[in-house]
Amino acid sequence: EDKVVQSPLSLVVHEGDTVTLNCSYEVTNFRSLLWYKQEKKAPTFLFMLTSSGIEKKSGRLSSILDKKELFSILNITATQTGDSAIYLCAVYLRGGSNYKLTFGKGTLLTVNP
Amino acid sequence: DGGITQSPKYLFRKEGQNVTLSCEQNLNHDAMYWYRQDPGQGLRLIYYSQIVNDFQKGDIAEGYSVSREKKESFPLTVTSAQKNPTAFYLCASSISGASALALETQYFGPGTRLLVL
Repeated sequence: EDKVVQSPLSLVVHEGDTVTLNCSYEVTNFRSLLWYKQEKKAPTFLFMLTSSGIEKKSGRLSSILDKKELFSILNITATQTGDSAIYLCAVYLRGGSNYKLTFGKGTLLTVNP
Repeated sequence: DGGITQSPKYLFRKEGQNVTLSCEQNLNHDAMYWYRQDPGQGLRLIYYSQIVNDFQKGDIAEGYSVSREKKESFPLTVTSAQKNPTAFYLCASSISGASALALETQYFGPGTRLLVL
């Protein structure tokens, strides 16, 4: 059974802290790993990772994939209260001619002022 | 503006009633997806469709049905067979599930919250 496991499930930090969110996976036919941020409603896309060791960066957020050890991390530096959200990790799988995303349970990040 | 719309925002279902959630996109995306989100459960795939008039069951399809008669629309019916329908339902779309890797990003609608009376 395909599994995507995120840790921690929740995290409370103070503004200015740096956080690292983890996502490990055990899947067949891996194609890519995606990170999403969900604040109140629709998840918004952050990163897609397909190759090991290549860091993707957007402002204070960065992410990297390790396909040998089957995990990814999402780093947020100098956190702000606006970073408070659920961060979702998802793995794109190929099953025959079909493709689908399998999501982890998410990490709830709370950034206090 | 291009995007994905879901309606209604909130939906109340009575016992034994079928209800239909709407999902429309004007992004010209081939693939569309329905997810259910429960607290502490993340997103779970209900159904997905990669082309008009074709769809596949996801991980938790029991008690749900879909149709894909038009590229733009992928309605989800929650049937009376779904015994625990209270959840947040998210619709998503992507250019194609079988296209180049960089195009596989899924974009989400604002969601419909379904509550049982």
